[in-house]
Amino acid sequence: AVQLVESGGGLVQPKESLKISCAASGFTFSNAAMYWVRQAPGKGLEWVARIRTKPNNYATYYADSVKGRFTISRDDSKSMVYLQMDNLKTEDTAMYYCTAAGGDWGQGVMVTVSS
Amino acid sequence: DVVMTQTPVSLSLAIGQPASISCKSSQSLVHSDGKTYLSWILQRPGQSPKRLIYLVSKLDSGVPDRFSGSGSETEFTLKISRVEAEDLGVYYCWQATHFPHTFGSGTKLEIK
Repeated sequence: AVQLVESGGGLVQPKESLKISCAASGFTFSNAAMYWVRQAPGKGLEWVARIRTKPNNYATYYADSVKGRFTISRDDSKSMVYLQMDNLKTEDTAMYYCTAAGGDWGQGVMVTVSS
Repeated sequence: DVVMTQTPVSLSLAIGQPASISCKSSQSLVHSDGKTYLSWILQRPGQSPKRLIYLVSKLDSGVPDRFSGSGSETEFTLKISRVEAEDLGVYYCWQATHFPHTFGSGTKLEIK
């Protein structure tokens, strides 16, 4: 069965950094584009970032709200996808989900940015 | 950015009734590869999202066939032929044709 398990969330102060991770299993990870999607408390879903596969040069794409601050990356040898979040803002507070091309989703990891 | 407009905002239906949710995009969702990357996502209370339908009308594995998706270009519909208790939650449409990918604002389905 496909599993996506996020980790690394927590409470940080504004302008700090945090790196969250997603461990994938149960499918051929190297063949899947990976996404991060977030959901602020009580709000809807917001797409954050996408990373394509090796044949597509690991191309990355970002929402305007995080461009220049967040970096998505992957390690196919470990079936892991990461989201490095720098210069965090209070409006980045959300549950962060990783998803394999929008199909399977993890349980999410909470990131809280507050002073 | 592509704006995804979902209606209605909420639905309150009895078990066995049909449901229909509309999603309209501000521009065509047909990709240059000819495919239309429009999905429907269900988020049950307290749970992570789950995809039900992709490429407009293809059901994900394990999704009951009472769910169906249709549409083209800029107008799409999710239908439930007979609502069941487990169908409650918030439904989102999501386009992955254009960057940034965008979601509809959601339709909350309540069971009477």
